[in-house]
Amino acid sequence: DTAVSQTPKYLVTQMGNDKSIKCEQNLGHDTMYWYKQDSKKFLKIMFSYNNKELIINETVPNRFSPKSPDKAHLNLHINSLELGDSAVYFCASSPTTRGNYGYTFGSGTRLTVV
Amino acid sequence: TQLLEQSPQFLSIQEGENLTVYCNSSSVFSSLQWYRQEPGEGPVLLVTVVTGGEVKKLKRLTFQFGDARKDSSLHITAAQPGDTGLYLCAGENSGYALNFGKGTSLLVTP
Repeated sequence: DTAVSQTPKYLVTQMGNDKSIKCEQNLGHDTMYWYKQDSKKFLKIMFSYNNKELIINETVPNRFSPKSPDKAHLNLHINSLELGDSAVYFCASSPTTRGNYGYTFGSGTRLTVV
Repeated sequence: TQLLEQSPQFLSIQEGENLTVYCNSSSVFSSLQWYRQEPGEGPVLLVTVVTGGEVKKLKRLTFQFGDARKDSSLHITAAQPGDTGLYLCAGENSGYALNFGKGTSLLVTP
């Protein structure tokens, strides 16, 4: 029933570890996004895929690597985790690359690096 | 990056009061959206405004897009505790991801 689902909801890990976050949408949307929300609640775009093709790659450390096996899935893999990576990561989708129809967000993954 | 400034940053009011939240930018947007985010959840779309000067109403919420399509406001009439949350504006231009403001955190107490 859930439109955009992310797993896990919480992730606590040690510095230097590698972790992945998974996202799936059942809305039939073509475009998916990863956003990072910092401790001050600011949402910043990281990546965007349209039909499995990377179309937005913001200035993000190359330790972050997105992968889209099909247009309904977008995963985020993070290597060598650092303390500063602690944040809430949101997956979102939209019908097209034009955001005028609005985004549907997942409920977020709270990543804590210790 | 097209900056969106929201004000106020925090707002604490009593149930029944009215309030207005502002979203301003020096950039022109094709459309502007408002979202509400509750703790532990993702933002949820409230409205999209597209035409300069456009006014949209959603029950007790009134949204306005500035004539020049650079700013927007959200007015809540007779606020209720259920209105508590983080209100985010987001500007859209063709072909790029939504650019979000830093949000207004609203607390409505009974």
